[in-house]
Amino acid sequence: DQQVKQNSPSLSVQEGRISILNCDYTNSMFDYFLWYKKYPAEGPTFLISISSIKDKNEDGRFTVFLNKSAKHLSLHIVPSQPGDSAVYFCAARRGAGGTSYGKLTFGQGTILTVHP
Amino acid sequence: DTAVSQTPKYLVTQMGNDKSIKCEQNLGHDTMYWYKQDSKKFLKIMFSYNNKELIINETVPNRFSPKSPDKAHLNLHINSLELGDSAVYFCASRVSSVTDTQYFGPGTRLTVL
Repeated sequence: DQQVKQNSPSLSVQEGRISILNCDYTNSMFDYFLWYKKYPAEGPTFLISISSIKDKNEDGRFTVFLNKSAKHLSLHIVPSQPGDSAVYFCAARRGAGGTSYGKLTFGQGTILTVHP
Repeated sequence: DTAVSQTPKYLVTQMGNDKSIKCEQNLGHDTMYWYKQDSKKFLKIMFSYNNKELIINETVPNRFSPKSPDKAHLNLHINSLELGDSAVYFCASRVSSVTDTQYFGPGTRLTVL
C-alpha cells in the first residue's frame, strides 16, 4: 500500500523551460511534505519542504505547491538547467514535531532530464 | 568534510553470510535512520534511533539488527543474507526539530549472490 505516489517515472524538459514534478498521497494524516533530489551513486539531498498549513513555498528556482483537498503536491523548477537532471523524490511525514520521530514515507521517484 | 558517511559503498556476498554496514554522522544530530531502496526504487524506512534508543522499528525480518554505540553511529548487521536483501541501503540523520530535513549518506549497494 503505497501512500505516496509519483506516477510519472520520467520527465524530459528543455533547458530554460519549466519542469513540473507531481506527487499524490492518500494519508490525510500527513502534515509535512518534502522534496529530495538524488544524483546517481549519491544519497538523496533535501531540496524544499512545505507544511500542510501552507499551499506554496518558494526557494529560488524551486516552488512547491500543495493542494490538500486533492492530496496532491507539485514541484516547479523555473528555469530548468541541465544540472537539475536527477531523480526527484517526494516524501511525506505523519504527525507533528518531535513525536513523529521523522518517519518519512517516500514516493518512487521521477527521473528528470533537462536537455541543453 | 562528509556529513553522513557509510562503509562499505559496495558489498557483494554469498547467501547465508552475515554482514555489517556502518554509518557515522558528524552533524551532531540526535536521530539516525536506516532506509532500504528496493528494486522498485521506493525508499522505505527500516529503523530509527534517537540518542541511542530505538524509536522506529518497521516490519523488518529479525535477521536485521541495528546497533547504535553512540549518537554519531548507527550500524546495521544482517544475518543469514538472502537474495531478496539485495538493495541499496541508506543511512540518514536528523536534528530533532519540527521539520524533518534528513541528511542521507551515499548509500551501500548490497548484492547477495
